[in-house]
Amino acid sequence: SQQGEEDPQALSIQEGENATMNCSYKTSINNLQWYRQNSGRGLVHLILIRSNEREKHSGRLRVTLDTSKKSSSLLITASRAADTASYFCATVGVSGGGADGLTFGKGTHLIIQP
Amino acid sequence: DAGVIQSPRHEVTEMGQEVTLRCKPISGHNSLFWYRQTMMRGLELLIYFNNNVPIDDSGMPEDRFSAKMPNASFSTLKIQPSEPRDSAVYFCASSLGGAGSSPLHFGNGTRLTVT
Repeated sequence: SQQGEEDPQALSIQEGENATMNCSYKTSINNLQWYRQNSGRGLVHLILIRSNEREKHSGRLRVTLDTSKKSSSLLITASRAADTASYFCATVGVSGGGADGLTFGKGTHLIIQP
Repeated sequence: DAGVIQSPRHEVTEMGQEVTLRCKPISGHNSLFWYRQTMMRGLELLIYFNNNVPIDDSGMPEDRFSAKMPNASFSTLKIQPSEPRDSAVYFCASSLGGAGSSPLHFGNGTRLTVT
């Protein structure tokens, strides 16, 4: 089954710095999605990038996708304390129909030090 | 839009008891997913429904787990009998269309503790 693996498992940076998280997966995908989870809450969708796209932006977020390396990265620029959360990548395979379930990695725990 | 609503938020029960978790998806969404989250295993997809029909329940750990979606606005996940290893946070999520093309909207989860 598809499964993204995030790297690093934990990341601590100073407020204002950029944070980069990586995701690797095993087989071909239709798209890759990034989610954020604040402590004690459900996951919140951040961005979806399709397999034919290489880069996508949303506010301070930049996502890249390299299908040849089966990897994606999430960059958060000018980090803020409120960005402290766990970040997950999730994939849906090419064989999946529209109703397939997303498979999540174990996440990167990001801590922004004030 | 109230988002995905799950109840209860916390459930503490004794081993052997029946547990029922409830979910109300976002109105108009036609896919519903149940996930379980633990430190050891991360987020696991248990089952998902499309148009109220179970599509894939291969993630359901064993026969003690069952899920139903009697209509488009309600789903339940039942564990009978419950065991301590079922302790986890259970999330319900819904999407417009499948997860392949649409983002998932998650509820805030039910934290289950089985003693």
